[in-house]
Amino acid sequence: GAVVSQHPSWVICKSGTSVKIECRSLDFQATTMFWYRQFPKQSLMLMATSNEGSKATYEQGVEKDKFLINHASLTLSTLTVTSAHPEDSSFYICSARDHGSASGANVLTFGAGSRLTVL
Amino acid sequence: SQQGEEDPQALSIQEGENATMNCSYKTSINNLQWYRQNSGRGLVHLILIRSNEREKHSGRLRVTLDTSKKSSSLLITASRAADTASYFCASLDNDYKLSFGAGTTVTVRA
Repeated sequence: GAVVSQHPSWVICKSGTSVKIECRSLDFQATTMFWYRQFPKQSLMLMATSNEGSKATYEQGVEKDKFLINHASLTLSTLTVTSAHPEDSSFYICSARDHGSASGANVLTFGAGSRLTVL
Repeated sequence: SQQGEEDPQALSIQEGENATMNCSYKTSINNLQWYRQNSGRGLVHLILIRSNEREKHSGRLRVTLDTSKKSSSLLITASRAADTASYFCASLDNDYKLSFGAGTTVTVRA
C-alpha cells in the first residue's frame, strides 16, 4: 500500500532558529500533499495544501511567511518553520493522496508525524 | 471552523464490549472517513462511507451515515486492548478538502 515517510520524527530547537520537515511519498507520486498541525489532545488542523510545481495554498490564519512549503518534486514536500518560537511547538503531520490506488483521491495516507519542541 | 463535533470525547470500556462514537459535520460532503491515531503517531485510515451510503461494515467496524442530520457513527464490536487509540471522523467536501472532527479517545481495559 501507499507509504508516506516523514522526517524527522522529532526535533528540539532553540527559539529563533528554523526547522525543516520533509514528507516523502515512497511508492507513489503525489501532486498534492497536505500539512496538518495537531496540539496535544486536539484534532488535526489543516495548515496548507502543497501543490507540486506551484505555490502552496494556505488556510485562513496560517502565516505563509512563517510556514514555508516547497513541493519541488512529485514525491517530496517540505515544511520549514522559520524563526521558530515556543508557541510553534506542536505535532506536524503530512499526508498525500495516491491517485493510483483503488481509493484514489478519497483517502489520505499520513506520515508518522514530526514533533517539534521549541525551547 | 474546520472541525466537526465528536462525542464522547473519551470512552473507557472493558475488553469484549462494543464501543460507539458519534460525529457531526457541517458542510455537504463527498464522503466521510474514520481514522485511528495511536498516541504520538500518524493517522491510519479505517473506513470510508460515501454520501449516498447509509451503512458500511469492515471486519469489526460498522459505520453509519445520516446526511439529513449531518452525522455519522462508528461502532467497534468485541473490542480488544489493541483498539485503544484516538478515533477521528473526517469529512471530504466537494472541493476534496478533508476536515477532521475533534476525536474520541478510546481506552479498552483488559
